Amino acid sequence: SQQGEEDPQALSIQEGENATMNCSYKTSINNLQWYRQNSGRGLVHLILIRSNEREKHSGRLRVTLDTSKKSSSLLITASRAADTASYFCATATPGAGSYQLTFGKGTKLSVIP
Amino acid sequence: DAMVIQNPRYQVTQFGKPVTLSCSQTLNHNVMYWYQQKSSQAPKLLFHYYDKDFNNEADTPDNFQSRRPNTSFCFLDIRSPGLGDAAMYLCATSRDSPGTGRYRETQYFGPGTRLLVL
Repeated sequence: SQQGEEDPQALSIQEGENATMNCSYKTSINNLQWYRQNSGRGLVHLILIRSNEREKHSGRLRVTLDTSKKSSSLLITASRAADTASYFCATATPGAGSYQLTFGKGTKLSVIP
Repeated sequence: DAMVIQNPRYQVTQFGKPVTLSCSQTLNHNVMYWYQQKSSQAPKLLFHYYDKDFNNEADTPDNFQSRRPNTSFCFLDIRSPGLGDAAMYLCATSRDSPGTGRYRETQYFGPGTRLLVL
């Protein structure tokens, strides 16, 4: 069953604006990861946040995790046209089979120059 | 540069004609995964190898098989492709260290092979 659900499904913003995407999940997790996928390409790992962490930064990316609400958010600041892509959250769940991630359906971000 | 390579990038096959997709990695990772991703959907794990141990997802159809002859290579075999098997197939790797608790760390993906079934 699908674990992560991203919200919104699609987001369109102007270059320079901030983009916020949310992810909700259902069960306890070991960690939560965000990936980016350019059209027709593979996924690229962006950031990993562990269940005992609340916030993490990497460059223009800021990820928060609220385990009590089973939700995470990805903030991209000062967006660029090159940020146009689909963004997926993926949850790693303890005891859920061997070494697997469960991906959400993704948020499609369009950054207009 | 260390990477995950998938060949071919595009594969066209006929309904019912066996097809093999290949993946190779220079990262020396011990875990390799195959995902199926249909248009506008989440990647769905088909199976993975932890070293030589094969782990099949419960809902992966029998039509899909995999081989891992060595650390670097992994193949996805579709024995009798149907129209519903048209999708992007993604290979990924990770380095898991048993006993450290550092499971399910970052996965490194190849560019994918887009399969078209005629």
